[in-house]
Amino acid sequence: SQTIHQWPATLVQPVGSPLSLECTVEGTSNPNLYWYRQAAGRGLQLLFYSVGIGQISSEVPQNLSASRPQDRQFILSSKKLLLSDSGFYLCAWGRQGYSPLHFGNGTRLTVT
Amino acid sequence: AQKITQTQPGMFVQEKEAVTLDCTYDTSDPSYGLFWYKQPSSGEMIFLIYQGSYDQQNATEGRYSLNFQKARKSANLVISASQLGDSAMYFCAMREVQGAQKLVFGQGTRLTINP
Repeated sequence: SQTIHQWPATLVQPVGSPLSLECTVEGTSNPNLYWYRQAAGRGLQLLFYSVGIGQISSEVPQNLSASRPQDRQFILSSKKLLLSDSGFYLCAWGRQGYSPLHFGNGTRLTVT
Repeated sequence: AQKITQTQPGMFVQEKEAVTLDCTYDTSDPSYGLFWYKQPSSGEMIFLIYQGSYDQQNATEGRYSLNFQKARKSANLVISASQLGDSAMYFCAMREVQGAQKLVFGQGTRLTINP
């Protein structure tokens, strides 16, 4: 069966520090991969998606970047965090077509 | 562009009652998928039910059913015999089946089940 791992679960970082959140998927190949952010009490906003290794598309211009160095690995990064980067970050994977996206457990990021 | 609208920020229901969570959508694509997710306070996103745009019958999964009215562009979630564990945020979402196949979410409805 397929599983998705996302870490860390919580993170407190000072403003101006770098960020690296990692997500890996097991049990499938060539998945579509997604990074979402959720502000408190709000819906999910798509940040980045990838349909293949090295293929990254950004939905919203911001302080963040994403990379996909391997087929089942998706990394969200920042060189210098801003207060506005605080939020709940969710990684997801999906197959082609009508299938649902499956989410990791999320990372709660607080920038202080 | 696709858009999902959930007009109920919060709902309060007595245990064992049925509840309907509203969702309307807008898209110009003829092919799409509609989904409902549950997000408990722990934050995980739990997939509940799916409806394809060409499906003739409404989807059902246990106590969950999706009332799909294509002409009205609505995809309401019905939870029968609600339980205390159903208290959570519920999100309606649409997935395009072309290109990147992104999943677009509504703003969610917070459901509270009262004993």
